Amino acid sequence: SQQGEEDPQALSIQEGENATMNCSYKTSINNLQWYRQNSGRGLVHLILIRSNEREKHSGRLRVTLDTSKKSSSLLITASRAADTASYFCATGVGNAGNMLTFGGGTRLMVKP
Amino acid sequence: GAGVSQSPSNKVTEKGKDVELRCDPISGHTALYWYRQSLGQGLEFLIYFQGNSAPDKSGLPSDRFSAERTGGSVSTLTIQRTQQEDSAVYLCASSLVGGSSGNTIYFGEGSWLTVV
Repeated sequence: SQQGEEDPQALSIQEGENATMNCSYKTSINNLQWYRQNSGRGLVHLILIRSNEREKHSGRLRVTLDTSKKSSSLLITASRAADTASYFCATGVGNAGNMLTFGGGTRLMVKP
Repeated sequence: GAGVSQSPSNKVTEKGKDVELRCDPISGHTALYWYRQSLGQGLEFLIYFQGNSAPDKSGLPSDRFSAERTGGSVSTLTIQRTQQEDSAVYLCASSLVGGSSGNTIYFGEGSWLTVV
């Protein structure tokens, strides 16, 4: 099974609402990253949180990491229709910390 | 280049034929990754290059899959005797490997392979 598992698999909200996506993983990690994918093509890096950090912010994005529970959450505040995409968490493991293992993703739909 | 470039962007091939997918990473990035994504699914790790060597080939699904990287730059993923289950988007990514962990990985737009 995959290292990272996102929850929920699909999420539908109205514009202006907040969207929360969760990610659980199995093994110890160096870092955890969140990516966004539009239309099933290339992924875009959103935010990285290291294993010694608990929370990070970037614009409307807020990521938390709980290493004791091996889980992370991505919060998108004041969502917009343009936020509609698939969101993946990826965990960094391995010697260089660059090897990323991706979860199955959360498909977010923001209705205008 | 400005970003990770992949070609072809779309490829339709007949079952049993060989295909080559190319990835041109961001200039100066020493790490290169290949992932596969089936429709509506997550990313499946295939192989990772550090320079020209591949310390981790554990994700290659069968011996029909191979990859090489020359000059620490361009990489080619080859699928021999393609099967219908090989149909997927093949995503390449690169990163600048320094001494610390957690370098951002930059993805190309992918090569969509359809085996008919």
